[in-house]
Amino acid sequence: DADVTQTPRNRITKTGKRIMLECSQTKGHDRMYWYRQDPGLGLRLIYYSFDVKDINKGEISDGYSVSRQAQAKFSLSLESAIPNQTALYFCATSDLGAGQGSNEQFFGPGTRLTVL
Amino acid sequence: GQNIDQPTEMTATEGAIVQINCTYQTSGFNGLFWYQQHAGEAPTFLSYNVLDGLEEKGRFSSFLSRSKGYSYLLLKELQMKDSASYLCAVHGNAGNMLTFGGGTRLMVKP
Repeated sequence: DADVTQTPRNRITKTGKRIMLECSQTKGHDRMYWYRQDPGLGLRLIYYSFDVKDINKGEISDGYSVSRQAQAKFSLSLESAIPNQTALYFCATSDLGAGQGSNEQFFGPGTRLTVL
Repeated sequence: GQNIDQPTEMTATEGAIVQINCTYQTSGFNGLFWYQQHAGEAPTFLSYNVLDGLEEKGRFSSFLSRSKGYSYLLLKELQMKDSASYLCAVHGNAGNMLTFGGGTRLMVKP
C-alpha cells in the first residue's frame, strides 16, 4: 500500500471552478507539504503544515488555500481555478525537524490538473 | 534569497559515467538532497549530504562542498532506466523546507 496517496490523479476543469486536491498519509508524519511542478521550474512550495494547528504559506501561495483536517490529511483548494494553475501537484510528508536528521520528504504520486 | 542551479538537460551513453552538477546560494544550509524523478511520477530519494565529501551508494555517489556551495551526483555504469530527471534540493534555515532546483533531465542512449 502507498504511504502517501493523492486524489484525484488527473483532473480537467474550467476557469472559475473550485477544485480540491486531497492528500492522505499513513506514515504518521507530522509535517505535510504541497508543491506544484512546471516544466523547467522544478518543485515550488505552495503551503506547508508542521502539525494540525500549523499552516504556513510557501513560495507561491496566491490563488490557493489549504486545510489540515487531521494529522494524516492535508487538502489543497483552488477557489477559482485559472489556466496558469495547470500543473502537476505533489503532496509530501516528512518526520524530522531541522538539525535532527535527514529531513527526507516522501512524495505522493501527484495530481495532474488542467484548467481550460 | 534562495538560488539553486543545475543544467537543464544532459545526454550520456549506456555503460558510461555522468556527473550532474548543482550550485546553490541559500540563506543557511542544513543539508542537500538528490532526488530522482521519472516522467509523470513522484520524486524518490537518492542521497543526502550534510558534511563535505563523497557519499557512495551503489552506482550512485553524491559529493558536497559547503564552502563552494557545490554538489554533484555521479552515476556510474549507466542503464537505460536511469533516464529521468534529477532534482537537487537544499534544506536551508527557513523552517523545515526544501528549496528545489529546476531539475536535470538525463537521457541515456544505447
